[in-house]
Amino acid sequence: GEDVEQSLFLSVREGDSSVINCTYTDSSSTYLYWYKQEPGAGLQLLTYIFSNMDMKQDQRLTVLLNKKDKHLSLCIADTQTGDSAIYFCAETPGGSGNTGKLIFGQGTTLQVKP
Amino acid sequence: GAVVSQHPSWVICKSGTSVKIECRSLDFQATTMFWYRQFPKQSLMLMATSNEGSKATYEQGVEKDKFLINHASLTLSTLTVTSAHPEDSSFYICSARDQGTNQQETQYFGPGTRLLVL
Repeated sequence: GEDVEQSLFLSVREGDSSVINCTYTDSSSTYLYWYKQEPGAGLQLLTYIFSNMDMKQDQRLTVLLNKKDKHLSLCIADTQTGDSAIYFCAETPGGSGNTGKLIFGQGTTLQVKP
Repeated sequence: GAVVSQHPSWVICKSGTSVKIECRSLDFQATTMFWYRQFPKQSLMLMATSNEGSKATYEQGVEKDKFLINHASLTLSTLTVTSAHPEDSSFYICSARDQGTNQQETQYFGPGTRLLVL
């Protein structure tokens, strides 16, 4: 079945780089996403990557995809206190066609210390 | 970006009552909306996919008679928790898919509704 796994917690100092990791099981995933959730709020789409890419950069964010190992990373450069939130990895399962169904990981809580 | 609203943002109700939660796409049409449930410090679990003008598709283990979904228009989907019990207390989040341009990136999430059943 479809499964997405993430580490639960990451703590970094302000100005450092953060790397949040995710693994997934569905080798036919088409798109993989990173969402940010601040306390008590909904989800904000940060970035996404198509499964035939291995890297995507968007300002301070870099997404790395190792399709062979089914491993996805989100790298945040120059991490700020405002980056403190829960980060969810999600995939669009290959078998879902165009339904838009998303499978989420458990979320990684990023704590940024000043 | 596009905006999805939810109403109410939080609700407290007595056990046995029914609660309706609305999800609206404010500046785009959404033929498909999704309802998720999130327990504290846990991930989002997809409950059902709501398609405008047709019956919702429920995920395995989700009781369709308990969680009634209606998607009567291209901008509104409602989730009704019937005969709510304390174990239904959770954070309910909807998302709406804009199929205007890029189908994969344009899924927008609402701010969530926190339900507490006493």
